[in-house]
Amino acid sequence: DVKVTQSSRYLVKRTGEKVFLECVQDMDHENMFWYRQDPGLGLRLIYFSYDVKMKEKGDIPEGYSVSREKKERFSLILESASTNQTSMYLCASSHQGSGANVLTFGAGSRLTVL
Amino acid sequence: DQQVKQNSPSLSVQEGRISILNCDYTNSMFDYFLWYKKYPAEGPTFLISISSIKDKNEDGRFTVFLNKSAKHLSLHIVPSQPGDSAVYFCAASVGGYGNKLVFGAGTILRVKS
Repeated sequence: DVKVTQSSRYLVKRTGEKVFLECVQDMDHENMFWYRQDPGLGLRLIYFSYDVKMKEKGDIPEGYSVSREKKERFSLILESASTNQTSMYLCASSHQGSGANVLTFGAGSRLTVL
Repeated sequence: DQQVKQNSPSLSVQEGRISILNCDYTNSMFDYFLWYKKYPAEGPTFLISISSIKDKNEDGRFTVFLNKSAKHLSLHIVPSQPGDSAVYFCAASVGGYGNKLVFGAGTILRVKS
């Protein structure tokens, strides 16, 4: 069973703080993704990565950066948190194979920025 | 610019009846479509998918129908059970493996017993 683990389930940070959200998957998946989920907007893609040290911008990358130094770990960084980054953050991974890109998600990290 | 739209924010259905969740898309290049289910405080879980070369895919109580000419897909749950109460997200991608998924806003399904 694929497991995607997000280290922090709930975080409260202050405006301007640097925030790290960590994600680890244990099934040797090549692809990893960061989404944020907001009511009425669904899941929006922030960044994704197809391989170690590779990263691609998603639909809403502004205010975020990512790091993928190891295949199993994909970190999302908020350099200077703002209140409009209060959201549920979801990490996902998938295998580089044929057919539909079936993502396996972590349980999510709910971030509140005060 | 929402490429994947779920126009019904919520749906309420009686246990044992059929639930029909709808999804529309605008990008004619999409060729894979997926449905995910999400319970509160959990991540979304994959439910069922369909490629654009098919018009129907079935898995137990869940069936997805694809109408390419109308750019519309639907998820049918028969019979609906209280445990099906969750948020359902429709997603689409251009190309298959490894390619990013574009999600709709989600539909909250409530199955009443």
